[in-house]
Amino acid sequence: GNSVTQMEGPVTLSEEAFLTINCTYTATGYPSLFWYVQYPGEGLQLLLKATKADDKGSNKGFEATYRKETTSFHLEKGSVQVSDSAVYFCALSLYNFNKFYFGSGTKLNVKP
Amino acid sequence: EPEVTQTPSHQVTQMGQEVILRCVPISNHLYFYWYRQILGQKVEFLVSFYNNEISEKSEIFDDQFSVERPDGSNFTLKIRSTKLEDSAMYFCASSEAKAGAEQYFGPGTRLTVT
Repeated sequence: GNSVTQMEGPVTLSEEAFLTINCTYTATGYPSLFWYVQYPGEGLQLLLKATKADDKGSNKGFEATYRKETTSFHLEKGSVQVSDSAVYFCALSLYNFNKFYFGSGTKLNVKP
Repeated sequence: EPEVTQTPSHQVTQMGQEVILRCVPISNHLYFYWYRQILGQKVEFLVSFYNNEISEKSEIFDDQFSVERPDGSNFTLKIRSTKLEDSAMYFCASSEAKAGAEQYFGPGTRLTVT
């Protein structure tokens, strides 16, 4: 089947620390991969995406590389800020289907 | 920047009552979706809608649920007889194209069934 697995949260970091949130997937086809972010009280916002193997998505200092060999799409940021505190969702979408499969979300708390 | 809007932001209803959740997708988008997120759980797909008909639905989307695009701008989700377990955040989304395109999400409607 199709599914996304994310690391359990919450993740608590100090400002300027390095962030990694792990995401792995299983897919019956060839997926596009996404990271969405949900700030407190808000909806889901697209953070970055990658549509084929070895693509790197990047936005606002966040990066994730589509690794087909390890079926992973880990989210990284070199130096987190307090304003990055949010819930991060990994998701996949298949070419022939128009729905997203979401991971369970990882809450990030960044302390000053 | 265009955005998906949803109303109301919070709806409280009694078990057995009908509710209608409203969404205004981005104007040039053709595909529309509803997802829900029960507190502390995954965001789950409910239904997708294209060309005035359902294109895909999940097991959750049973006969109690229906969707409609009553005019050129609104997209609604109706729950005919709400149950306690329908309490969740409901997100509307829209996208321009189908194949692997990003979906743009609204801020959500928190539905509380008492």
